[in-house]
Amino acid sequence: GQQVMQIPQYQHVQEGEDFTTYCNSSTTLSNIQWYKQRPGGHPVFLIQLVKSGEVKKQKRLTFQFGEAKKNSSLHITATQTTDVGTYFCAGDTGGFKTIFGAGTRLFVKA
Amino acid sequence: ETGVTQTPRHLVMGMTNKKSLKCEQHLGHNAMYWYKQSAKKPLELMFVYSLEERVENNSVPSRFSPECPNSSHLFLHLHTLQPEDSALYLCASSQAGGGGSVQYFGPGTRLTVT
Repeated sequence: GQQVMQIPQYQHVQEGEDFTTYCNSSTTLSNIQWYKQRPGGHPVFLIQLVKSGEVKKQKRLTFQFGEAKKNSSLHITATQTTDVGTYFCAGDTGGFKTIFGAGTRLFVKA
Repeated sequence: ETGVTQTPRHLVMGMTNKKSLKCEQHLGHNAMYWYKQSAKKPLELMFVYSLEERVENNSVPSRFSPECPNSSHLFLHLHTLQPEDSALYLCASSQAGGGGSVQYFGPGTRLTVT
């Protein structure tokens, strides 16, 4: 079946270091979404990428969508303690089914 | 964030109890979802409703019974649950159709089955 794989599962960084999480789909996606879930919270939408090769930035966060629309990445520059949480990618193949990756849990040490 | 609300926020129930989870969205969306989130597992899609009709049912056990009386409300009726059903149950809504379905999640109901 359709799968969205996300790596790494966990990442420990020192505050100020960079962080990247990667997302790979077994099928071509119509778009990809990224969500953040703080500890004890619920997933919150961050951004959606639609076009092949698209790059979007939100302050220290950079999101990329691959040329083949099967992979994506989220890069955080100079992490802060407020960045802790789990980052999920979610692939949309059309219709009503959005497939979530397992998430990357980010720990930031001050 | 009050776009999607869920009640109760916490629920402890025995295996023989019957309870219901409630979700309400105030975003004017036309699709609603139930997800199960267990520790160390990906988000598991349980049910999808679009325009009050169920369009997706991911082989969920019959002890979970959804109900969508209108586009703003979604229920999950629970009966004779098992301890492994303990999890965070998340409701989400979206404006489905054309160009992606960004989902807005409620705060979830933390369910413990004893």
